[in-house]
Amino acid sequence: SAVISQKPSRDICQRGTSLTIQCQVDSQVTMMFWYRQQPGQSLTLIATANQGSEATYESGFVIDKFPISRPNLTFSTLTVSNMSPEDSSIYLCSGRVPGANVLTFGAGSRLTVL
Amino acid sequence: SQQGEEDPQALSIQEGENATMNCSYKTSINNLQWYRQNSGRGLVHLILIRSNEREKHSGRLRVTLDTSKKSSSLLITASRAADTASYFCATATSRGSARQLTFGSGTQLTVLP
Repeated sequence: SAVISQKPSRDICQRGTSLTIQCQVDSQVTMMFWYRQQPGQSLTLIATANQGSEATYESGFVIDKFPISRPNLTFSTLTVSNMSPEDSSIYLCSGRVPGANVLTFGAGSRLTVL
Repeated sequence: SQQGEEDPQALSIQEGENATMNCSYKTSINNLQWYRQNSGRGLVHLILIRSNEREKHSGRLRVTLDTSKKSSSLLITASRAADTASYFCATATSRGSARQLTFGSGTQLTVLP
């Protein structure tokens, strides 16, 4: 199965700044997804990262706040823009390998906004 | 929105005992999956059961699916301290040409040595 390297693993940021999270997959994946997970809570899908085109965002998430790039089949970034303390959360990327119905996850990025 | 609700929210057992977690969902599904998340880590896929299957085994794991009741259960037999983690069910539905997973609320399992 694919291995996803995600960084940073954690960061502490100031209000109003932006942070970009990167995910690198060691093999091609058909689809990549970005999730947000509040501590002790479930995962909420932010968007589907589409290769070479704009991401598909879920209700409540917008491109201006969470711009996503996916320049090729093995790499994607999520930026959390103009951060506020409410953005403090764990952000997880995941990918689906060809022919599989399951997701492989990165280790997550724990973001704290002061 | 969350598709799955899990119970119990937290479960604490002794090593060697069995642990059962339940998941209920609301809409029709293609398959249902269970994932484990160790503290501070990403999720790891455990087992997938298709909508036309009723039971599936993998090692010490047994999953059942009742589509009439829209529910599933995960049984971990002979639990070990290393099984301590959060367990999430996830339902797969078709949305356009893409299949998405919607995760349940999770069960925090603690296995005491």
